[in-house]
Amino acid sequence: DVKVTQSSRYLVKRTGEKVFLECVQDMDHENMFWYRQDPGLGLRLIYFSYDVKMKEKGDIPEGYSVSREKKERFSLILESASTNQTSMYLCASKVTDTQYFGPGTRLTVL
Amino acid sequence: QKEVEQDPGPLSVPEGAIVSLNCTYSNSAFQYFMWYRQYSRKGPELLMYTYSSGNKEDGRFTAQVDKSSKYISLFIRDSQPSDSATYLCAMRPNAGNMLTFGGGTRLMVKP
Repeated sequence: DVKVTQSSRYLVKRTGEKVFLECVQDMDHENMFWYRQDPGLGLRLIYFSYDVKMKEKGDIPEGYSVSREKKERFSLILESASTNQTSMYLCASKVTDTQYFGPGTRLTVL
Repeated sequence: QKEVEQDPGPLSVPEGAIVSLNCTYSNSAFQYFMWYRQYSRKGPELLMYTYSSGNKEDGRFTAQVDKSSKYISLFIRDSQPSDSATYLCAMRPNAGNMLTFGGGTRLMVKP
């Protein structure tokens, strides 16, 4: 079974803090993704990575950056958290056309 | 206007009912169509995957794509309380990695 794990289920941060969200997959997948999920808006792609150190912007990259130093790990960074980044963050890894999602991190920025 | 539209629900049905979930889209380049199921406090999981137009059946689930109308459907026969979840459609064109998701429909199947 593919396993995608995310570092925290719930996170509360203050405005202006630097926030790291980590994602690890155990299936040697090349492609990994970060989404945010908001009510009524579905999943929106923030960034994806198709190999180590390779990344591409998704639909809503503003305010976020990513890091992929090892194949199994893909990190999402909020350089200076803002209240409009309060959301559910989902990581996924992909083989062929199947994306395997982690359980999500619910981030609240106060 | 969003590229992929999906009624958010909630859709409440009695156990055993036939459920129809739908998405409309505007981008005629979409060729691959998926349905994901998301239980509460979990990540989405792939349920059905189809390419181009036509039907695909898997147990109680049938996915249908009508590209001429830019309309896709997921039918659930003999619905069960365990089918209660949010269903997200997703699609992509021939090239590329990026999926475009609908907003999701919340389904509740009552015993």
